[in-house]
Amino acid sequence: AQSVTQPDIHITVSEGASLELRCNYSYGATPYLFWYVQSPGQGLQLLLKYFSGDTLVQGIKGFEAEFKRSQSSFNLRKPSVHWSDAAEYFCAVDMNSGYSTLTFGKGTMLLVSP
Amino acid sequence: GAVVSQHPSWVICKSGTSVKIECRSLDFQATTMFWYRQFPKQSLMLMATSNEGSKATYEQGVEKDKFLINHASLTLSTLTVTSAHPEDSSFYICSALTSGSYEQFFGPGTRLTVL
Repeated sequence: AQSVTQPDIHITVSEGASLELRCNYSYGATPYLFWYVQSPGQGLQLLLKYFSGDTLVQGIKGFEAEFKRSQSSFNLRKPSVHWSDAAEYFCAVDMNSGYSTLTFGKGTMLLVSP
Repeated sequence: GAVVSQHPSWVICKSGTSVKIECRSLDFQATTMFWYRQFPKQSLMLMATSNEGSKATYEQGVEKDKFLINHASLTLSTLTVTSAHPEDSSFYICSALTSGSYEQFFGPGTRLTVL
């Protein structure tokens, strides 16, 4: 079955340290890929997306993600984490590649320590 | 641009009553809107997809007679939870899509608590 896996339920990172959140998907073709951030009790904000082309994509708030076809991965990275980055992060894929039906991972809660 | 609002942001109701949640695209025309449900500390689960002027398409396991979706205009979709029960308590999030776009814009969500 098609699925999205975020293996880390929560991650704690020191402020100023680098961050990598993992995302793997199971699908025969290359889907459209998204990362969203959700603050407590809020909706989702799009950080970045990948449709095609350059496999390293830049997003808002200093985030970037790299699509690796061979690993079916789309990991999110940030070189230096700020306390305001503490939130829940969701990886999502559009496996119909155009019909816009998103499948979400279970999310990774990011905690930032002083 | 691309702002989606939801109303109300939170609602408390008694068991057996019906609750209507509105989702509006404020600055664009939403040809497609999606309704999601999110349980605490869990991911978003797609409930249904609605296209303006058409009947909604429900995901497997979602009761269409319980969760009534109407998408009567290009800027408004409503979700009505009929005869709500405590197990319907959840965070409901809508998103909107405009024609030719693959990016969904999400509303801020509605917290429903059924007593």
